[in-house]
Amino acid sequence: GQSLEQPSEVTAVEGAIVQINCTYQTSGFYGLSWYQQHDGGAPTFLSYNALDGLEETGRFSSFLSRSDSYGYLLLQELQMKDSASYFCAVMDSNYQLIWGAGTKLIIKP
Amino acid sequence: DAMVIQNPRYQVTQFGKPVTLSCSQTLNHNVMYWYQQKSSQAPKLLFHYYDKDFNNEADTPDNFQSRRPNTSFCFLDIRSPGLGDAAMYLCATTWDRGSLGDGYTFGSGTRLTVV
Repeated sequence: GQSLEQPSEVTAVEGAIVQINCTYQTSGFYGLSWYQQHDGGAPTFLSYNALDGLEETGRFSSFLSRSDSYGYLLLQELQMKDSASYFCAVMDSNYQLIWGAGTKLIIKP
Repeated sequence: DAMVIQNPRYQVTQFGKPVTLSCSQTLNHNVMYWYQQKSSQAPKLLFHYYDKDFNNEADTPDNFQSRRPNTSFCFLDIRSPGLGDAAMYLCATTWDRGSLGDGYTFGSGTRLTVV
């Protein structure tokens, strides 16, 4: 079967750096995406990696290693507004977006 | 601003009473998706339209139907809502099924309550 594994919850301190890992097992791979979702809100697209390496967008970076079927989202200079759930998602060979169960990020002052 | 709009934001319906949720987009995207999301879970794909081509997920109950009368609008019909259908329903769009660079654009969702 197809699956994505990510931690259910991560806690960090305001101003710190946090990394959310995602490992995947899918039939085919067309890229790893990350979405942010605040409580009661809709998912918003953060990043997409199709090739190995690090993509940086402001305080957020996303990394992919296709050989390890692994990626991570790195959040720097954490702010209270970053408290949200973060989902990794992989597009498989059928162009279906397979979602992880989500990681709830809790930020403490 | 180009966007995806879902109406209503909150919907309360009676057990067994048909309900329709709507989604409109000004992005002119070819693909529209309907997701169901329950608390603390990932979004679950119900079906999607690639232009006028309807694609139903194998495990989507027959109780759920969809219509896409034109590029801009898509509707989710729940014929006989049960208590287990209470959830957030999310509409999303993308230019093409394989276009991931800009991600999916989601509407704000409709939170459905069944009483």
